[in-house]
Amino acid sequence: DAGVIQSPRHEVTEMGQEVTLRCKPISGHNSLFWYRQTMMRGLELLIYFNNNVPIDDSGMPEDRFSAKMPNASFSTLKIQPSEPRDSAVYFCASSLMVGATDTQYFGPGTRLTVL
Amino acid sequence: SQQGEEDPQALSIQEGENATMNCSYKTSINNLQWYRQNSGRGLVHLILIRSNEREKHSGRLRVTLDTSKKSSSLLITASRAADTASYFCATAPNFGNEKLTFGTGTRLTIIP
Repeated sequence: DAGVIQSPRHEVTEMGQEVTLRCKPISGHNSLFWYRQTMMRGLELLIYFNNNVPIDDSGMPEDRFSAKMPNASFSTLKIQPSEPRDSAVYFCASSLMVGATDTQYFGPGTRLTVL
Repeated sequence: SQQGEEDPQALSIQEGENATMNCSYKTSINNLQWYRQNSGRGLVHLILIRSNEREKHSGRLRVTLDTSKKSSSLLITASRAADTASYFCATAPNFGNEKLTFGTGTRLTIIP
C-alpha cells in the first residue's frame, strides 16, 4: 500500500490567495483526519471524518478554513483567503476504524508558507 | 489544554544507551499511543497500549502505563542513530469528545 498521499508537498503563496491541500487516505480506511503542526502550538486536530461525514470540526480555526470529503478516497482542506499565520505543516491521517481513538497513519505533510 | 505532556522536552544520549521518555496526562483514557516523527516527515505509529494493560513490548520498545499516576513511559533500548527523532504520546479519552490529543513531544538525539 502506498500509504496516505498528500499533495502538494510544499506550497508557497501570497496572503489573500486561496490554497487547496489534497489527501488520499489508505484504501479501506474509514476515518480521515486533518492536523496542523507549528512550533508554537504543536500538533492540532482541525477536523475529522468518519465514512466521509465530518464529525468534529471544532479545531478549524475560523471560517476561512473548510474541508470536504466527497468520497472515501479523497479529501481537501481549503484556506480562503490565506494569511501569514496559516503558515504551518498540514498533515492528513487515516485510520481503519470508525472513530478517532485508533491507530492513525499519517501522510508526509504539506508545508505551507503564506507570504 | 494539552492532554499529554512529554518529559523531558529534549534528550541526548550516546548510541547504544537506553532512552526513556515520559508522558503525563490528566483525564481518564481509553488508550495511549506513542508516535515517532523524523525531521520533515509525518508521524509514524509505534505502539498502542490500552487502559487495562500495564506493559507492552515491540522490538526494542517497551511502553508502560500507570493509570493511577496517569503516566506512561517509552523505553528504547540499545539506541541507534536512526532513533534520532521526536517522540509524541497521544491520549484517547474515555468519554466526551473522543479524539486523540497529542503532547508536545520529546526531541531525542542519538550521538554516534
